[in-house]
Amino acid sequence: AQTVTQSQPEMSVQEAETVTLSCTYDTSENNYYLFWYKQPPSRQMILVIRQEAYKQQNATENRFSVNFQKAAKSFSLKISDSQLGDTAMYFCAFMKPQETSGSRLTFGEGTQLTVNP
Amino acid sequence: DAGVIQSPRHEVTEMGQEVTLRCKPISGHDYLFWYRQTMMRGLELLIYFNNNVPIDDSGMPEDRFSAKMPNASFSTLKIQPSEPRDSAVYFCASSLDRFTDTQYFGPGTRLTVL
Repeated sequence: AQTVTQSQPEMSVQEAETVTLSCTYDTSENNYYLFWYKQPPSRQMILVIRQEAYKQQNATENRFSVNFQKAAKSFSLKISDSQLGDTAMYFCAFMKPQETSGSRLTFGEGTQLTVNP
Repeated sequence: DAGVIQSPRHEVTEMGQEVTLRCKPISGHDYLFWYRQTMMRGLELLIYFNNNVPIDDSGMPEDRFSAKMPNASFSTLKIQPSEPRDSAVYFCASSLDRFTDTQYFGPGTRLTVL
């Protein structure tokens, strides 16, 4: 079974600065997807970024980028120019695509990020 | 697109009562997932459907929980009878197909069982 670990329960950053959230995972699979989801106080789960394991290039979405280290099974999220609206719980998630059925997401415990003015 | 729609957003009920949570997936999505989020256990997958057919219900905690998907645009998660330990936020998510795989979540239903 796959496991996802986020070792930082809480983090804080000053507005406009950069912060990196850590995530490690354990799997014997070679083909899989990794995700970062954001859950603000509204509780909505919002997709932040997605990475396919077969791609060497790190995914980026505006101020959000990842550092994907496949051999180390590490998938960190970097938020540049942090904004107050980035305050949220961030979840790292793993998915192994299934050939004939849907794919299950395995979530980490989450990291609560607070952006301070 | 309206995104995944869930109702109600909040539900407060008394122990022993039946609770029904509702979900409308994104139009055209073939997969629908039900998750539960608690402080103790985090996010757990309860069950998921492919083309209205339940594929994996191994996450359903007890027989008190049941889920149906009578058509492509509607699913229910029912708890009967409810217990205080069922208090949680329940999320519905949908994804387009097994090739795309990205799951899009609804706003969740916060359930409180007194």
